[in-house]
Amino acid sequence: AQTVTQSQPEMSVQEAETVTLSCTYDTSESDYYLFWYKQPPSRQMILVIRQEAYKQQNATENRFSVNFQKAAKSFSLKISDSQLGDAAMYFCAYSGGGITGTASKLTFGTGTRLQVTL
Amino acid sequence: NAGVTQTPKFQVLKTGQSMTLQCAQDMNHEYMSWYRQDPGMGLRLIHYSVGAGITDQGEVPNGYNVSRSTTEDFPLRLLSAAPSQTSVYFCASSYTILAGLYNEQFFGPGTRLTVL
Repeated sequence: AQTVTQSQPEMSVQEAETVTLSCTYDTSESDYYLFWYKQPPSRQMILVIRQEAYKQQNATENRFSVNFQKAAKSFSLKISDSQLGDAAMYFCAYSGGGITGTASKLTFGTGTRLQVTL
Repeated sequence: NAGVTQTPKFQVLKTGQSMTLQCAQDMNHEYMSWYRQDPGMGLRLIHYSVGAGITDQGEVPNGYNVSRSTTEDFPLRLLSAAPSQTSVYFCASSYTILAGLYNEQFFGPGTRLTVL
């Protein structure tokens, strides 16, 4: 079974600074997807960024980028120029790449609560 | 498009009561699923469906039933609520079960359930 580990329960960053959230995973599959979801106090789950395992290039979405280290099974999220609106719980998630339905079954980490201070 | 909708937003039950959490999507997604979110444990998959009439168990299925008679609806039933089922429940859907660009999960707003 796949597992996702987020070892930082809480992180804090000053506005305009950069912060990196860590995520490691364990899988025996060669084809898979990794995601970062943001959950603000509203509780809504929002997809921040996704990475296909077969792609060597790290995904980037505006101020959000990932450092995907496939051999190390590491998938960290970097938030640049942090804003107050970035304060939320961030979840790392994994899904398989097959056609048996596993592609949409997400395995989540336990989350990292990010605080943004002035 | 309303996206993924869930009702109710909040619910309090007594131990032993039954209830159904409703989930609907208007995006013609073939894949739907239910997760529960507990403090310190992230989201865990309860049940999922790959199309109308087809359901399967996830990681934590005990105490929950599902059915999928239409593409749009995927209700979650608690037959006899227990305090251990106190949680926030999320419904999610995606266009396809296949891997690729179109398997992004869309989440509903969640239902906070308390079982006394």
